[in-house]
Amino acid sequence: DGGITQSPKYLFRKEGQNVTLSCEQNLNHDAMYWYRQDPGQGLRLIYYSQIVNDFQKGDIAEGYSVSREKKESFPLTVTSAQKNPTAFYLCASSHPGNTIYFGEGSWLTVV
Amino acid sequence: KQEVTQIPAALSVPEGENLVLNCSFTDSAIYNLQWFRQDPGKGLTSLLLIQSSQREQTSGRLNASLDKSSGRSTLYIAASQPGDSATYLCAGAFSGTYKYIFGTGTRLKVLA
Repeated sequence: DGGITQSPKYLFRKEGQNVTLSCEQNLNHDAMYWYRQDPGQGLRLIYYSQIVNDFQKGDIAEGYSVSREKKESFPLTVTSAQKNPTAFYLCASSHPGNTIYFGEGSWLTVV
Repeated sequence: KQEVTQIPAALSVPEGENLVLNCSFTDSAIYNLQWFRQDPGKGLTSLLLIQSSQREQTSGRLNASLDKSSGRSTLYIAASQPGDSATYLCAGAFSGTYKYIFGTGTRLKVLA
């Protein structure tokens, strides 16, 4: 089936630890996005990429890093520099200017 | 700064009622606007996409309109059902960038 796969669904991070969230799409979309959602709030853009080997910071990029080595993959690393990482993370993809599709999300909790 | 706003934050209606959800944006140079549904703890499901050249889109009981001059979009839900209970978000993509800016959503509860 075509779609966006995020893993893991639930992830726990210890203080000072880096963690990586996976996002894979088989929709052949050029653009991919990472959003963060906090309880009762809308989505805030962390990073986005319009083509392979290129990406841009969103509104809240500090403490996060990404790579786009393959068209279908856009992993997000939450670094120890992100002081409040507990949130719901959503990956999305689209052809630029068209319908944007989302994965099922990943819950990250600091323990 | 481009912003997208949704009012009200929450809405409760009895089953069968027709309702309108509102979305406003600050930049008239909007490329397209999308409406989404989000169930608790889940990702977003796209409902309707309106390109800047269009005024409305329809899918089943849903109708979305776009008025660039006033900076507003509405999502009309006809004959609401308890299964429509969810959070509805709108997002705009603006000329010069392909990043989508989201509103904070309207949490809808349809009472049986």
